[in-house]
Amino acid sequence: DTEVTQTPKHLVMGMTNKKSLKCEQHMGHRAMYWYKQKAKKPPELMFVYSYEKLSINESVPSRFSPECPNSSLLNLHLHALQPEDSALYLCASSQEKGLSGNTIYFGEGSWLTVV
Amino acid sequence: AQSVTQLDSQVPVFEEAPVELRCNYSSSVSVYLFWYVQYPNQGLQLLLKYLSGSTLVKGINGFEAEFNKSQTSFHLRKPSVHISDTAEYFCAVLERYGNKLVFGAGTILRVKS
Repeated sequence: DTEVTQTPKHLVMGMTNKKSLKCEQHMGHRAMYWYKQKAKKPPELMFVYSYEKLSINESVPSRFSPECPNSSLLNLHLHALQPEDSALYLCASSQEKGLSGNTIYFGEGSWLTVV
Repeated sequence: AQSVTQLDSQVPVFEEAPVELRCNYSSSVSVYLFWYVQYPNQGLQLLLKYLSGSTLVKGINGFEAEFNKSQTSFHLRKPSVHISDTAEYFCAVLERYGNKLVFGAGTILRVKS
């Protein structure tokens, strides 16, 4: 089973709202990722968690706040977003980072629209 | 840092014709290479990967790719495409011992009847 589950699939939020995107995997993976994909563009890395600790933050604005409560869950908390933050947010996971060319498996994504 | 170039932004092809989607990469260290497919309004699905060993790798849906170290390429091929193959295809590179997967700009494959 190579499944990464993301909820919600669609989210519309105002610029003053606080919302969260959730991601879950049960493959025993210890690395989890958030990617952002704008229309007609490739995915871009936002954050990497390794063994539940933040290991990479690609200079993402603080209005995006990741959280990894345990090895199976990854959240992305959203606050005071801008319309330009509207995008597809992809969660992914892999085994121990990079040591054996581990494959990164992606979820279906959460479509976020900021109004 | 690694980078990926997908040479064609769109590739139109007739059904049952062969297709090749081109990918070149650059990196100062050893890399692993991947092809992902994204159907409209969906997430990314792994098509195939090259980690080591045989340079010809086979993936799902009849796709295959060949790793060419001297030309730093990893082109994706299918001998006969179907309408259902219409999607966007992303080549991606991961540096050995790294965990930052970097994507090319993507190639939209349009299969026509």
